[in-house]
Amino acid sequence: SYELTQPPSVSVSPGQTASITCSGDNLGDKYACWYQQKPGQSPVLVIYEDYKRPSGTPERFSGSNSGNTATLTISGTQAMDEADYYCQAWDSSTVFFGTGTKVSVL
Amino acid sequence: QVQLQESGPRLVRPSETLSLTCTVSGGSISSYSWSWVRLPAGKGLEWIGRINTSGSTRYNPSLRSRVTMSVDTSKNQFSLKLTSVTAADTAVYYCARLTASATEWFDPWGQGTLVTVSS
Repeated sequence: SYELTQPPSVSVSPGQTASITCSGDNLGDKYACWYQQKPGQSPVLVIYEDYKRPSGTPERFSGSNSGNTATLTISGTQAMDEADYYCQAWDSSTVFFGTGTKVSVL
Repeated sequence: QVQLQESGPRLVRPSETLSLTCTVSGGSISSYSWSWVRLPAGKGLEWIGRINTSGSTRYNPSLRSRVTMSVDTSKNQFSLKLTSVTAADTAVYYCARLTASATEWFDPWGQGTLVTVSS
């Protein structure tokens, strides 16, 4: 079974940069996407195919994927970015989600 | 704009079958694949399975023996059945559309429905 590991939490000051990692065997050979989930709300896609932003995703969100690690970067973090973030990838026609990272804007 | 809405019993007894339906509005269910994902309290997202409008399915291996999905294109709906439920199946259940390009991703999602397994 494929596993995607994320840090449980990341803290960032307003206006600073937050980086969330997602680690999995040869993840760079697959496509990664990222979802933002705020309390009581459903997940929202913020990055797909490693680095592409859906319309509606602010430009401060960016993604990369290489080697064993995909990274979601939030530049100029705002209070509204406080949420849980999940990476997701496919392996053998099965979906795997990362363990999730809680981003706190302090 | 496509919207998804989950419906079904919010309370299920242990050992019984959980049944949910997702209604798609604002667009046709055809030409896409659809999925169920759940979020147990205090845990992370778990993929349950997928179905396309031809009825072809693929399930999470960890749940495969208990899951059945179906689709009704005439009603723009797809459904989930999970048998022999236990307290571990208590979760918020989401339906979502799979959008495909070089790979697939979930967008949009339904608002989710909390299903509690308890006697």
